[in-house]
Amino acid sequence: SQKIEQNSEALNIQEGKTATLTCNYTNYSPAYLQWYRQDPGRGPVFLLLIRENEKEKRKERLKVTFDTTLKQSLFHITASQPADSATYLCALYQGGKLIFGQGTELSVKP
Amino acid sequence: EAQVTQNPRYLITVTGKKLTVTCSQNMNHEYMSWYRQDPGLGLRQIYYSMNVEVTDKGDVPEGYKVSRKEKRNFPLILESPSPNQTSLYFCASSPGQGVKTQYFGPGTRLLVL
Repeated sequence: SQKIEQNSEALNIQEGKTATLTCNYTNYSPAYLQWYRQDPGRGPVFLLLIRENEKEKRKERLKVTFDTTLKQSLFHITASQPADSATYLCALYQGGKLIFGQGTELSVKP
Repeated sequence: EAQVTQNPRYLITVTGKKLTVTCSQNMNHEYMSWYRQDPGLGLRQIYYSMNVEVTDKGDVPEGYKVSRKEKRNFPLILESPSPNQTSLYFCASSPGQGVKTQYFGPGTRLLVL
């Protein structure tokens, strides 16, 4: 069956460290993958898109990698700040639709 | 300001009483979509629309209807709501006919008693 998996357990890290979030998928062949940020009670906000022929994408303190062989994307936040605390969702594009993972909650402690 | 708006933001209703949640975007986007978000299940797509008068089912369409008569509006209709439709609903839009970056509305929290 098709599945997208993100770490269900919350990730707690210290301010200034690098946060790494994982998105694994099975039985999909996405043309691209996206990462969104969601704050409690609010709609997701787009962060980054990476295509299947791209290995890595960066935007300020954010970096995304996409390994189609491993069927995995990693999302990194360097020099993390308490304001980065949120739930981060990955989403695959396939068949005209975006399919979302359940999200990983990140908590950055000062 | 470019945005997706939804109304109402909060709604409590009773089983069987028809309701409509409106969604409007001012970005001239072709693609619009409805999602529901439930604890442990994540975001699941209900219906989507590639353009005016074109709608298609997502993963969980049962119990919902949509229409796309104008480009900017994409209302979600619950003809006979049931308690299992209690959820947080999001409308989203995206430029172009294929879904790329999605812009989400603020959400509508629905409780069906």
